[in-house]
Amino acid sequence: GIQVEQSPPDLILQEGANSTLRCNFSDSVNNLQWFHQNPWGQLINLFYIPSGTKQNGRLSATTVATERYSLLYISSSQTTDSGVYFCAVEGTSGSRLTFGEGTQLTVNP
Amino acid sequence: DAGITQSPRHKVTETGTPVTLRCHQTENHRYMYWYRQDPGHGLRLIHYSYGVKDTDKGEVSDGYSVSRSKTEDFLLTLESATSSQTSVYFCAISEGFPSLGYTFGSGTRLTVV
Repeated sequence: GIQVEQSPPDLILQEGANSTLRCNFSDSVNNLQWFHQNPWGQLINLFYIPSGTKQNGRLSATTVATERYSLLYISSSQTTDSGVYFCAVEGTSGSRLTFGEGTQLTVNP
Repeated sequence: DAGITQSPRHKVTETGTPVTLRCHQTENHRYMYWYRQDPGHGLRLIHYSYGVKDTDKGEVSDGYSVSRSKTEDFLLTLESATSSQTSVYFCAISEGFPSLGYTFGSGTRLTVV
């Protein structure tokens, strides 16, 4: 099946800093989503982005499908951005979402 | 969470007992999924359904069964719970393939003692 690798596995920032999270995937995809899992365990859908660039406030994402990677940018980070960020992809051959292992982000005040 | 509800939210059960988790949706989406989340493994697919009475296995299906008798309900059953099935279970829904995105429920924390 399709492989998803996220980097870095852990990231510690001071409030106000910017960061870039990366997601590499091993095959063509129909769907790519970025999720934020908050400290209460809820999975919040950030972006549906199989290709192109999207922005939502301080967050933006870019997927280069031909090169099989996606980037999530967080600008002016806040303590509430802390949590785990997951990249998940749906390959072209099967209707299921495969997750990476996530990036644990800690934003300190 | 966009019309998807999991029950119960928390459960503690004893080894060897049967357990059923329920996922209910109000979105009339065709596809429903059960994932488990464990430290160091991210989320892994257990089973999924692509229609009423149509189900298939995911990557970690051993020890689990599912049923979908109505579009809105997808049940996950642990026939005889084991400690290795202690986990957080998430249900998800999507419409169509390729999907326009998956939506997840709030999760069920299951502890098997």
